[in-house]
Amino acid sequence: AQSVTQLGSHVSVSEGALVLLRCNYSSSVPPYLFWYVQYPNQGLQLLLKYTSAATLVKGINGFEAEFKKSETSFHLTKPSAHMSDAAEYFCAVSRQNGNKLVFGAGTILRVKS
Amino acid sequence: GAVVSQHPSWVICKSGTSVKIECRSLDFQATTMFWYRQFPKQSLMLMATSNEGSKATYEQGVEKDKFLINHASLTLSTLTVTSAHPEDSSFYICSATDRVSYEQYFGPGTRLTVT
Repeated sequence: AQSVTQLGSHVSVSEGALVLLRCNYSSSVPPYLFWYVQYPNQGLQLLLKYTSAATLVKGINGFEAEFKKSETSFHLTKPSAHMSDAAEYFCAVSRQNGNKLVFGAGTILRVKS
Repeated sequence: GAVVSQHPSWVICKSGTSVKIECRSLDFQATTMFWYRQFPKQSLMLMATSNEGSKATYEQGVEKDKFLINHASLTLSTLTVTSAHPEDSSFYICSATDRVSYEQYFGPGTRLTVT
């Protein structure tokens, strides 16, 4: 079975500060890992994904994530937060690309001016 | 880029009635479509996996007779909520996997409110 744990249901940062959203996974097979962003009353937008190639994955809007097998982690970072980054972020795991996803509980990011 | 649409985007219905939600892949063919449900302030939970031309596979705890899924073509899957009750009120999101690239794309979601 696969599962995802997102530490911190709410994260608050100042504009221009580092964003760090934590994700730990559990998987009996090599995982495919994803980060999605959701704005209120909208669907999901893919930020980035790990598919067993490079462990440091760069995504859209300046986000990146590093796959660390030893720590079973896939934390999302952005060097400098922007007001438009305020949204809910979901980490997800699957057995292969295009397969069903298991989502974490989500982290709401608040950006203070 | 690839687009997945859902119709309607929101619907209000009375308790006991049935509601159909459509999920379409607009510019690609989808081998598989997934239906998720998201309750307020909660995460997405997979309801079922839909493959074209075959019966859907439901997750544990999801009533297949209540949530009817039909995947009639490589670009269309429908979810029918039968005899809807207020506790079925939720945000329903579909996703579709491109049969060529295996990339998965999400629809914008359908807000269902049962009164």
